[in-house]
Amino acid sequence: KQEVTQIPAALSVPEGENLVLNCSFTDSAIYNLQWFRQDPGKGLTSLLLIQSSQREQTSGRLNASLDKSSGRSTLYIAASQPGDSATYLCAVETSGSRLTFGEGTQLTVNP
Amino acid sequence: IAGITQAPTSQILAAGRRMTLRCTQDMRHNAMYWYRQDLGLGLRLIHYSNTAGTTGKGEVPDGYSVSRANTDDFPLTLASAVPSQTSVYFCASSRDRGETQYFGPGTRLLVL
Repeated sequence: KQEVTQIPAALSVPEGENLVLNCSFTDSAIYNLQWFRQDPGKGLTSLLLIQSSQREQTSGRLNASLDKSSGRSTLYIAASQPGDSATYLCAVETSGSRLTFGEGTQLTVNP
Repeated sequence: IAGITQAPTSQILAAGRRMTLRCTQDMRHNAMYWYRQDLGLGLRLIHYSNTAGTTGKGEVPDGYSVSRANTDDFPLTLASAVPSQTSVYFCASSRDRGETQYFGPGTRLLVL
């Protein structure tokens, strides 16, 4: 059974800092890995999707990497802003259209 | 505006009652999904549909049923609600399986 772990569970940083969120998964037989953000009381917003054949994806200040063999992904956020405060969720897709989610990292960026 | 809508936004339901959560997307996506989100357990897949006319079981399907009569709609039915089904329910869709999933705003359900 696929298990996804995200570390740290919570992170508080000053505005402008670069930061890294970590995600690990137990079964390397994945189709893709997706990063989402969730604001309090809201649904999920997709940030980046990395196919299993890819090593990284970039969107603006966000960069996500994937090392399938070691079962790890990182989400790098450059020059963090208070508007980046949210919970960040990592999810891996395996057979049967199943997305398995981690429990998330709650990020607070302080002005 | 293109996207996914869910109804109702929130609901309080007596145990034993039947309830259908509605989900509609206007992006002509083939695949649709239902998840529940619980504190300490994260998001878990209930049921999915890769294309209209087909459905599949996710990680926690017991007590729930779905149908996919057309591309746009994917209702989730609780035949006889129990308190353990108290949760936030999210519907999602993707153009095809293996592609980016887009989520609705969620339905907050309290079963008493």
